[in-house]
Amino acid sequence: DIQLTQSPSFLSASVGDRVTITCRASQGISSYLAWYQQKPGKAPKVLIYAASTLQSGVPSRFSGSGSGTEFTLTISSLQPDDFATYYCQQLNSYPPYSFGQGTKLEIK
Amino acid sequence: QPQLQESGPGLVKPSETLSLTCTVSGGSISSNIYHWGWIRQPPGKGLEWIGGIGGLYYPWSTYYNPSLKGRVTISVDTSKNQFSLKLYSVTAADTAVYYCARRGYNYGYFYMDVWGKGTTVTVSS
Repeated sequence: DIQLTQSPSFLSASVGDRVTITCRASQGISSYLAWYQQKPGKAPKVLIYAASTLQSGVPSRFSGSGSGTEFTLTISSLQPDDFATYYCQQLNSYPPYSFGQGTKLEIK
Repeated sequence: QPQLQESGPGLVKPSETLSLTCTVSGGSISSNIYHWGWIRQPPGKGLEWIGGIGGLYYPWSTYYNPSLKGRVTISVDTSKNQFSLKLYSVTAADTAVYYCARRGYNYGYFYMDVWGKGTTVTVSS
């Protein structure tokens, strides 16, 4: 199985800040990585796929980069609606399509 | 964009079988582009991919998370536009919100692009 490790697990930031979340894969997954946002009581929502392609309708302040084993999700200027938990997922090989453990982004 | 809706019992006894169905509306489940999956989330924890069915090259093939050790079966009913999950011999550790989701495909890349709202299943006597 491919393991995904996100860092940090918790992140405290303020509106307007630039934040970066990292996802590391235990083996190379090319660019087969997606990022999701989840708010309490809601299903996850895809933000980025193919490591850097923004899903339709997602604000451009979200961006993704990386390939192989190291990936980043960046929010260029945090908005109040962005405080949520973020997950990466590898879709290079399955089973399983593993997820990272999540990064909870909280208001400072 | 299709919609997915999970349904099934919210309470299951230990050692019994958890059975959930996902109904797809606004699109055909038979499209060979898509893969249909189940993901769960225990209370206060992260996401776990359970398994899925269908796909580009192997229509109606099933794929399961090895961590579930053969306790899971996923099937499809194309006449009802539904796919289903059965998880056998459940324990309290299987208590979770269960989501069904579609694996989308674009320019050679996959991602879970459509999700159901989720259904809470509690395992308790």
